Amino acid sequence: KQEVTQIPAALSVPEGENLVLNCSFTDSAIYNLQWFRQDPGKGLTSLLLIQSSQREQTSGRLNASLDKSSGRSTLYIAASQPGDSATYLCAVRPSRAGNNRKLIWGLGTSLAVNP
Amino acid sequence: ETGVTQTPRHLVMGMTNKKSLKCEQHLGHNAMYWYKQSAKKPLELMFVYNFKEQTENNSVPSRFSPECPNSSHLFLHLHTLQPEDSALYLCASSQAARDYYTDTQYFGPGTRLTVL
Repeated sequence: KQEVTQIPAALSVPEGENLVLNCSFTDSAIYNLQWFRQDPGKGLTSLLLIQSSQREQTSGRLNASLDKSSGRSTLYIAASQPGDSATYLCAVRPSRAGNNRKLIWGLGTSLAVNP
Repeated sequence: ETGVTQTPRHLVMGMTNKKSLKCEQHLGHNAMYWYKQSAKKPLELMFVYNFKEQTENNSVPSRFSPECPNSSHLFLHLHTLQPEDSALYLCASSQAARDYYTDTQYFGPGTRLTVL
């Protein structure tokens, strides 16, 4: 059974720091891994999608990597800003036969960037 | 309006009430989803509609009844709910639910539901 874990659950950093959020999953049979951002009281915004054949994706100050064999992904945020404060969620789409291929979600990392 | 919109944003209801949540997507997508988000739990997929046809019902109690009259609109009808149903209900849409490699979901802001 696919499970997704995100560490740490919460993180507080001063503005300007580079930081790494971690996501691990138990079954390497996936179509893709996705990172989302959720602001308080709001819905989710897709940040990056890494297909199973890819190693990383970049968007602005964000870089996500995928190591499928070890079941790990990292989201790197460069030069963090207070506006980056949010909860970051990781989700994988399983590819194993018999699974209905719905996204499997982690609990998220709550990030606070302090001015 | 752009993206995915949801109304109402907040809803308080008693256990004997009947209410409906509405979702509308302005992205031209073919798939729509209902999720439940509770504290300290991963997002729970409730229903999936692909080209207006329900393709998934993840063992959701019958007190939740979805309706998808067209590809742009999705409703969640609620009746005789329980206090444990209090949660944030999120609607999402995507281009094609079966494009497993690249399909990305776009979410609305959610409806915060409180059942008294």
